[in-house]
Amino acid sequence: DSGVTQTPKHLITATGQRVTLRCSPRSGDLSVYWYQQSLDQGLQFLIHYYNGEERAKGNILERFSAQQFPDLHSELNLSSLELGDSALYFCASSVATGTGELFFGEGSRLTVL
Amino acid sequence: GENVEQHPSTLSVQEGDSAVIKCTYSDSASNYFPWYKQELGKGPQLIIDIRSNVGEKKDQRIAVTLNKTAKHFSLHITETQPEDSAVYFCAARLAYSGAGSYQLTFGKGTKLSVIP
Repeated sequence: DSGVTQTPKHLITATGQRVTLRCSPRSGDLSVYWYQQSLDQGLQFLIHYYNGEERAKGNILERFSAQQFPDLHSELNLSSLELGDSALYFCASSVATGTGELFFGEGSRLTVL
Repeated sequence: GENVEQHPSTLSVQEGDSAVIKCTYSDSASNYFPWYKQELGKGPQLIIDIRSNVGEKKDQRIAVTLNKTAKHFSLHITETQPEDSAVYFCAARLAYSGAGSYQLTFGKGTKLSVIP
């Protein structure tokens, strides 16, 4: 158990809908990273938050957004969903930024029908 | 930005044989190179890492080598066991300078199958 909790584990929804994925980092970790994993693209970096502030954006679509709350949990919002958004979404946390190990949650599997 | 290439995408070995996975990176400013193992239905988990001031690191049956000049690093697993079957990801991260974001850039993964 990495200590990172992601909910829901599985989510099935229709095109055009909006979903929210939630991540609780390990106790004491200030950094939260979101990654998307699809079959042929590996782990793609989406966005990084550190202590409530956005630090970097990667290959994140404009339809997607995220935030990190004062209690350090984070949410990834995906809207106007398309079939191609079906993927595993991972959250990872680390103590700080730029150093140390990333601890991954078990992921949220999103299926868009 | 950083780009990490990983080969092969799939690898099958007999139990007891060795397995080698290779990665190359593009940004010479990267100085941290971890390897993650992802078992079915789980999130990736760090198994070994190496920093640019070290050429080789071992942990029991697992070793990682780094060639900074050539910008490539490799994972070596000896005496493979069925429980080594998983997807392995290499990654690279830029050297930390005190500001900004230092996310990991991952390779596309290698699916290792160890045949009993």
